[in-house]
Amino acid sequence: GEDVEQSLFLSVREGDSSVINCTYTDSSSTYLYWYKQEPGAGLQLLTYIFSNMDMKQDQRLTVLLNKKDKHLSLRIADTQTGDSAIYFCAEDNAGNMLTFGGGTRLMVKP
Amino acid sequence: EPEVTQTPSHQVTQMGQEVILRCVPISNHLYFYWYRQILGQKVEFLVSFYNNEISEKSEIFDDQFSVERPDGSNFTLKIRSTKLEDSAMYFCASMGGRTDTQYFGPGTRLTVL
Repeated sequence: GEDVEQSLFLSVREGDSSVINCTYTDSSSTYLYWYKQEPGAGLQLLTYIFSNMDMKQDQRLTVLLNKKDKHLSLRIADTQTGDSAIYFCAEDNAGNMLTFGGGTRLMVKP
Repeated sequence: EPEVTQTPSHQVTQMGQEVILRCVPISNHLYFYWYRQILGQKVEFLVSFYNNEISEKSEIFDDQFSVERPDGSNFTLKIRSTKLEDSAMYFCASMGGRTDTQYFGPGTRLTVL
């Protein structure tokens, strides 16, 4: 079945860039997503990329997709303490069910 | 901005009891989903619902689970006889069209004692 993997933890200093990586197995995914989850809160859709794109930029967020390697990354420029959260990548399948990675906990140090 | 809402935010129940988790999807959306997240684990798909019927379900979604859209606005998840291992955060999501993105509610934390 589909599998999505992420590293567990990332720590950066405020003002630095953060890069969160994700690998997936389903080559038929239509969209790939990044969700943010703050403590005790729900899943906030941050951004997504259509599978025929290589890159998408949205203000401080840049998503890179390497379909050949099935690798997705999220770059957050000028990371702020408010960016501290768990970030989940997810892929959809033909049925539109999402398969999530385990989440990367981003810690931003002042 | 329209959003998905869920009630209650936290539900505590005794093992063996029935619970109903409620969701109000975004009003013009057509596709509805339930996911769950056991503490410290991945978010897992449970079920998708379209045109008043289940379109897909995971292995987790056994006979103890059911979903319903009782009226034009609510979407419910019922767990008939809760088990300790049902303790999790349950997320509802809705989607407008087949190529749209899914929008998640804030979740209901279910604790089974």
